[in-house]
Amino acid sequence: DAGVIQSPRHEVTEMGQEVTLRCKPISGHDYLFWYRQTMMRGLELLIYFNNNVPIDDSGMPEDRFSAKMPNASFSTLKIQPSEPRDSAVYFCASSLGTGLGYEQYFGPGTRLTVT
Amino acid sequence: QKEVEQDPGPLSVPEGAIVSLNCTYSNSAFQYFMWYRQYSRKGPELLMYTYSSGNKEDGRFTAQVDKSSKYISLFIRDSQPSDSATYLCAMSPTSGTYKYIFGTGTRLKVLA
Repeated sequence: DAGVIQSPRHEVTEMGQEVTLRCKPISGHDYLFWYRQTMMRGLELLIYFNNNVPIDDSGMPEDRFSAKMPNASFSTLKIQPSEPRDSAVYFCASSLGTGLGYEQYFGPGTRLTVT
Repeated sequence: QKEVEQDPGPLSVPEGAIVSLNCTYSNSAFQYFMWYRQYSRKGPELLMYTYSSGNKEDGRFTAQVDKSSKYISLFIRDSQPSDSATYLCAMSPTSGTYKYIFGTGTRLKVLA
């Protein structure tokens, strides 16, 4: 199994530009999560989906952030317009919602730098 | 005050030492407790989980939960340089939610 795949691995962009992060979850997993990690705030859940439907987006910081999951094998997180304070590592994770569903498998992350 | 507090470290220990990593929390509803390990420039990976109070052992790793004190610990015996990583605690109130609250992580260095 290839694990959770994220692209790009690194993104450097200028303030005001649109940024799109991509994620392919593990095949068969029905939950998908988007996290943001910074030194100051640690790992924060932004939004999660179940069977492609957004369940909880209360962690999305503001309207500049949006996430979609058009099918079971693909999700995007978009920031428009980007700001320097959005600089962070963004992780996508997936899990299989049976039993406790406690194990979330994380991708390698996308390191975003907004200048 | 954050819901989950974790000392950021870094914690440096010699190879073979016993390591104790800890988290405190404020939400008494938390029932599920997890430890994730994160190597540099990688995503977190689940190391151990426990439900409610008590101990759980897996090889060199022991997870301990004290709900009365709102305190969880991860012990690593015979620590190895390969254990050098950041350790994140995570917790959740019930099995019906996948909304985990993570600590900020403790960076561990095991010196050869």
